[in-house]
Amino acid sequence: AQRVTQPEKLLSVFKGAPVELKCNYSYSGSPELFWYVQYSRQRLQLLLRHISRESIKGFTADLNKGETSFHLKKPFAQEEDSAMYYCALSREGNNRLAFGKGNQVVVIP
Amino acid sequence: DAGVTQSPTHLIKTRGQQVTLRCSPKSGHDTVSWYQQALGQGPQFIFQYYEEEERQRGNFPDRFSGHQFPNYSSELNVNALLLGDSALYLCASSLNTGQGFYEQYFGPGTRLTVT
Repeated sequence: AQRVTQPEKLLSVFKGAPVELKCNYSYSGSPELFWYVQYSRQRLQLLLRHISRESIKGFTADLNKGETSFHLKKPFAQEEDSAMYYCALSREGNNRLAFGKGNQVVVIP
Repeated sequence: DAGVTQSPTHLIKTRGQQVTLRCSPKSGHDTVSWYQQALGQGPQFIFQYYEEEERQRGNFPDRFSGHQFPNYSSELNVNALLLGDSALYLCASSLNTGQGFYEQYFGPGTRLTVT
């Protein structure tokens, strides 16, 4: 079975500092990896997926199959980045998501 | 388009009772997935409905059942409620294009409290 691990529960950073959220997964096949974000009082929404290889709101994530990781990074944190971030995995050809426990990010002005 | 809607917003039930949660998918979507999110945890996949049939199921007991209607809306039913069923129940909808991953759009959730 697939598993997603997000080691840090809470991450506090100062505005303008870099942010890195770690995500490791266990799955023997070819997974699809995603980052979802939930801002205060809003619903869960897709932030980015590894296949698209694009930067969204300044965030990037690279899939490292050797280290089975999909860390989320942003060079300069903004106050509006304060939110809950979830790493998620989907098996190839399968449309169900397995989520990590999430990271609470607090950006200090 | 209001996106994915869920009802009710909050619900309080007693152990042993039964509950039904409802979900209307985003306009144009034909697939509905249900997730359970316990406090401090990430969402856990319960099951997925497409063409009015349960297509995939997570590791949840038979007390959890569902239904999808011809208009693609869906219900989640939980029988013989346990205290451990207290959680936020999320509905997500997507459009089955037949290939690849279909982006899932989430609803606001229904907060179920079992006392």
